[in-house]
Amino acid sequence: QKEVEQNSGPLSVPEGAIASLNCTYSDRGSQSFFWYRQYSGKSPELIMFIYSNGDKEDGRFTAQLNKASQYVSLLIRDSQPSDSATYLCAVKRGGGSNYKLTFGKGTLLTVNP
Amino acid sequence: EAQVTQNPRYLITVTGKKLTVTCSQNMNHEYMSWYRQDPGLGLRQIYYSMNVEVTDKGDVPEGYKVSRKEKRNFPLILESPSPNQTSLYFCASSSWVGGYTFGSGTRLTVV
Repeated sequence: QKEVEQNSGPLSVPEGAIASLNCTYSDRGSQSFFWYRQYSGKSPELIMFIYSNGDKEDGRFTAQLNKASQYVSLLIRDSQPSDSATYLCAVKRGGGSNYKLTFGKGTLLTVNP
Repeated sequence: EAQVTQNPRYLITVTGKKLTVTCSQNMNHEYMSWYRQDPGLGLRQIYYSMNVEVTDKGDVPEGYKVSRKEKRNFPLILESPSPNQTSLYFCASSSWVGGYTFGSGTRLTVV
């Protein structure tokens, strides 16, 4: 079983719609969850992190975490063409393994004008 | 400005010629790590360091070496590069509680 799984996409949404990106993870000891955005040929950029069950909102972005279901998601409201990128889910176990950030392979999002 | 600086950004080399990719961070982060990114395989951790003189293997360490003599620097060394090490490489650093901040990347081609 892959440690962090994401639908590779592409996920295509019209401008102004809500984009929903999903991620599941296999390690129940995971404690920290991150969403990165990566434009083609560029480095990953941290956009959200969440540690506790529930929702966390930051501007147009909302991260949702359900540890019981081992599921984390990212919602992007009022999607813009500039949001077109690959979104990477990353999971950190914490404690003695705090160094290890394991990434999913990413979901390619395309926002159509 | 808080950042992770990698050099060079692009590098073409020949099989077997030793090379070093430098990485430096100015955020006083404890953790540093090297990742490689390949199409269809995603980001894979090569080596990581939890502090000065403390390094360990990640998921794909074969063919690579690292050192952490100073907190801010974490160079990646390819003693004898091979074509299968052609990839996009990222250095990253993190504090105890945060996610990694990534450098701009080094695109390496080994011919």
